Amino acid sequence: NAGVTQTPKFQVLKTGQSMTLQCAQDMNHEYMSWYRQDPGMGLRLIHYSVGAGITDQGEVPNGYNVSRSTTEDFPLRLLSAAPSQTSVYFCASSKDRVENIQYFGAGTRLSVL
Amino acid sequence: RKEVEQDPGPFNVPEGATVAFNCTYSNSASQSFFWYRQDCRKEPKLLMSVYSSGNEDGRFTAQLNRASQYISLLIRDSKLSDSATYLCAVMETGGFKTIFGAGTRLFVKA
Repeated sequence: NAGVTQTPKFQVLKTGQSMTLQCAQDMNHEYMSWYRQDPGMGLRLIHYSVGAGITDQGEVPNGYNVSRSTTEDFPLRLLSAAPSQTSVYFCASSKDRVENIQYFGAGTRLSVL
Repeated sequence: RKEVEQDPGPFNVPEGATVAFNCTYSNSASQSFFWYRQDCRKEPKLLMSVYSSGNEDGRFTAQLNRASQYISLLIRDSKLSDSATYLCAVMETGGFKTIFGAGTRLFVKA
């Protein structure tokens, strides 16, 4: 019953460092998304994918890159970390357009100093 | 204006109370609607989908008003365990993106 797995759970970066947040799902879901959650802001969509090889921008894409080479994996890359990217990041997957219930990973808590 | 808006609360209610939350959305062409529950420092989990005719799951009732572009969640006979943040979510037409509200915080006290 793995569902959506995110790694790492916690990360501290220095300004300017790069890193990749990993997300994997084992439910054969077509859709995957990355959100960030900040106090008072709710979940904001960063990038999403509707299938392998297909990605698109969400509400707050700047500073992040994604790729979807397989159905299972959807990594999120921070190219040059900034303190404004301190947040909790959630990866989610959903089956398809018809069954669009989002299943979330446990989150990655990122601090950028 | 945000695409999906909720009253952040907090709502402080006694056990056994009935409490209602509303969520408004701006895109009239939105096609699917949901309520998620999020416990402190945990991931959101689906509470219930919201259907056009309204739907009920135990103590929880969800309704959709397309004309006024809002969805609602009613919780009857509140339990201590209902304390959480409730997020509404709206899926845009085309089914590609789901946008969340900022959440409404509920505290149920003994």
